[in-house]
Amino acid sequence: DGGITQSPKYLFRKEGQNVTLSCEQNLNHDAMYWYRQDPGQGLRLIYYSQIVNDFQKGDIAEGYSVSREKKESFPLTVTSAQKNPTAFYLCASSDRRSTEAFFGQGTRLTVV
Amino acid sequence: QKEVEQNSGPLSVPEGAIASLNCTYSDRGSQSFFWYRQYSGKSPELIMSIYSNGDKEDGRFTAQLNKASQYVSLLIRDSQPSDSATYLCAVNWYGNKLVFGAGTILRVKS
Repeated sequence: DGGITQSPKYLFRKEGQNVTLSCEQNLNHDAMYWYRQDPGQGLRLIYYSQIVNDFQKGDIAEGYSVSREKKESFPLTVTSAQKNPTAFYLCASSDRRSTEAFFGQGTRLTVV
Repeated sequence: QKEVEQNSGPLSVPEGAIASLNCTYSDRGSQSFFWYRQYSGKSPELIMSIYSNGDKEDGRFTAQLNKASQYVSLLIRDSQPSDSATYLCAVNWYGNKLVFGAGTILRVKS
């Protein structure tokens, strides 16, 4: 089955901890994205990547880091510098030609 | 100025009516425009994409694009209660930056 897989589905973080959210796609898409969604809000872009070993900051990159070592994978680290990390995190990927983006099922991160 | 703007709603329509959702964007160089549907607690699902001026129809959905006026709209004909969701407008910026509006809540009443 082709698609985008995010893991874990639920994640709990203690104050001061770094956590990494996984995103893997087998659609052979070039571009990948990370978004954050807060309750009742739209999607805000954290980071995006068009090709391997290259990525750009989105609108709310502070307190987050990413890597793109493989075309299939775009992990997101939520660092201790992110003061309010509780949110729904969504990963997406898109084809270079159509630019249609498809989403994984999301990761709900909660600070405990 | 927000890059992609939508009326947050809620937009309430009776079952069987036409729902009209609107979106404006700020970057005149944008080339790709999308509508996503998001049910509560779920991830967004792509329902329409449009790239050139005019209308594009797919089943009960019609997307309309007017680049000169910088707006894109989505019409849902014969609205059903199952269409009740948040509809997100997305615009692909230069450099493949995909930006979303805040979404419009649609409620279809039976």
